[in-house]
Amino acid sequence: DIQMTQSPSSLSASVGDRVTLTCRASQNIGTYLNWYQHKQGKAPNLLIYGASSLQSGVSSRFSGGGSGTDFTLTISNLQSEDFATYYCQQSYRLPRTFGRGTKVEIK
Amino acid sequence: VQLVQSGPEEKKPGESLRISCESSRDNFPNHWIGWVRQMPGKGLEWMGIINPADSETRYSPSISGHVTFSVDRSTSTAYLHWSSLRASDTAIYYCARRSRFSGNLAFYTAFDVWGQGTMITVSS
Repeated sequence: DIQMTQSPSSLSASVGDRVTLTCRASQNIGTYLNWYQHKQGKAPNLLIYGASSLQSGVSSRFSGGGSGTDFTLTISNLQSEDFATYYCQQSYRLPRTFGRGTKVEIK
Repeated sequence: VQLVQSGPEEKKPGESLRISCESSRDNFPNHWIGWVRQMPGKGLEWMGIINPADSETRYSPSISGHVTFSVDRSTSTAYLHWSSLRASDTAIYYCARRSRFSGNLAFYTAFDVWGQGTMITVSS
């Protein structure tokens, strides 16, 4: 299986900050990388597919980058509704493994 | 499109269980349906997917043989079934629609519509 490693596991930030989350794959996955936002008690929400393509309806404050094994999710001008856990997922090979998540908390 | 899942369940080890995921749209056969697990205090775990058009399945090795995916095309419903539950099956289970997207360099797949989740508690 392809292992997905996210860092940091959690971070504290303030409204208005810019934060960058990192995801590393255990092998080259090209740009087959998705990002999801997950709030406690709610269904996950697709943010980014193909490493950098913004899903329809998602705020442009979210942006994704990277290819191969190293990927980033950047949230600009952090808003209160952005405090959540973020997961990367590779869509290169079965099983479609997720990372363990990065929890973004209010400072 | 909505995916509506069945309600929470409390079961004992060894019991069987089937939970459901009903699609609100007629294009049910056009999208694979996936199942994702979140164990207490843990992250999301991809369990597998099923093609509603022909019931072809792909299971994660970590759960293969312990659960079964199925669909009923007449009711646009997907199911997740256990024949013998374990305490370690305690988790929230999500169904999700897998869609295909055209990106900058290739076609990609991702879960773009999710059910609300079903909480399963297995305890003696």
